Amino acid sequence: SQQGEEDPQALSIQEGENATMNCSYKTSINNLQWYRQNSGRGLVHLILIRSNEREKHSGRLRVTLDTSKKSSSLLITASRAADTASYFCATDEKYKLSFGAGTTVTVRA
Amino acid sequence: DAGVTQSPTHLIKTRGQHVTLRCSPISGHKSVSWYQQVLGQGPQFIFQYYEKEERGRGNFPDRFSARQFPNYSSELNVNALLLGDSALYLCASRRDTANTGELFFGEGSRLTVL
Repeated sequence: SQQGEEDPQALSIQEGENATMNCSYKTSINNLQWYRQNSGRGLVHLILIRSNEREKHSGRLRVTLDTSKKSSSLLITASRAADTASYFCATDEKYKLSFGAGTTVTVRA
Repeated sequence: DAGVTQSPTHLIKTRGQHVTLRCSPISGHKSVSWYQQVLGQGPQFIFQYYEKEERGRGNFPDRFSARQFPNYSSELNVNALLLGDSALYLCASRRDTANTGELFFGEGSRLTVL
């Protein structure tokens, strides 16, 4: 079973708009990570937020974490065509990452 | 520095056959993990190896096995292939020894079972 669940499953936006996706998880965590995957290729790490952090920024990415609600959100600002990809949240459990099913983001030119 | 490399990139097998997938981690990374990603789903954990020892195993049948070599490269073996084994198999390596932090993924080996 998967620990994280992303919402929405798919998102289509215009270039320049912001994209927001959410992740819910079930058990307590040490950290939560977000990854991007382009068209069935390898995953690329985007950002890691620790359980004692509430918000983190990296370039156009902003991640929030609410451990009381067991949820996280990823915001991509000023989206570009190159942001078209699938985005996954993953919780770090001892020796493995548990991934959700992902959000597919399509950025229209 | 080279990233995580996997081979082969694509392969086609028939039911009942055996497959071996190979992975070379980033230089200096001693931890290697394997994930299976079925189309439309997120990656599912199969194995983690650290210093040639299995440190974790996911919910996969015994047909799946793996090993890590002294140079930290790794092989994933799948016996008696089933149609449901068709997937993208991802290898990932990790730098730190505390089993936390980001994973560095290879581009994957796409297996099709006919």
